[in-house]
Amino acid sequence: DTGVSQDPRHKITKRGQNVTFRCDPISEHNRLYWYRQTLGQGPEFLTYFQNEAQLEKSRLLSDRFSAERPKGSFSTLEIQRTEQGDSAMYLCASSPVGLRGDTQYFGPGTRLTVL
Amino acid sequence: SQQGEEDPQALSIQEGENATMNCSYKTSINNLQWYRQNSGRGLVHLILIRSNEREKHSGRLRVTLDTSKKSSSLLITASRAADTASYFCANLRDNYGQNFVFGPGTRLSVLP
Repeated sequence: DTGVSQDPRHKITKRGQNVTFRCDPISEHNRLYWYRQTLGQGPEFLTYFQNEAQLEKSRLLSDRFSAERPKGSFSTLEIQRTEQGDSAMYLCASSPVGLRGDTQYFGPGTRLTVL
Repeated sequence: SQQGEEDPQALSIQEGENATMNCSYKTSINNLQWYRQNSGRGLVHLILIRSNEREKHSGRLRVTLDTSKKSSSLLITASRAADTASYFCANLRDNYGQNFVFGPGTRLSVLP
């Protein structure tokens, strides 16, 4: 059973550039979540998919952020026109469909640095 | 903004001692979960306790939930150096979809 994988693990970019991150959930998991985590803080919820449907979005997900899960398997998170404040760890998690609030399995994260 | 809070923010103990971390939240919840995060890595699920439960055990971990006080505690017994990590509570608010709310975490250092 492979865990949640994320790619890339690290990304350094210049302000104003676009970046895209990928998350591959555990294969039988229908739910997929994106979080952002800054140093010394807990993860902040960004968005959630059930299969290919994006069911919830946080106010943190500004117009520059977009997430997709086109076939209900892997997901991408794109940040357009990056700003220095976007520097953070971006975490992906997945969980199986079941009772609300099933255990989430986290990937290792993508650390973004915006110069 | 995050609505959960862990207490203390940092805790340093000797190997073999017990560590207790507390978590408070503000609204009614469906369940509360505890996660561990080693430096620079993803989170690992430790234990889930539902709103109708008061206590759960898993190995050296014991979690309690007091819904009247909107608080939970995580007890790690007989701590080991490998327990050094940040510990987060996350709650799933009742009737609020799948939006999990994490606290800022407690950074635990277990000294050999």
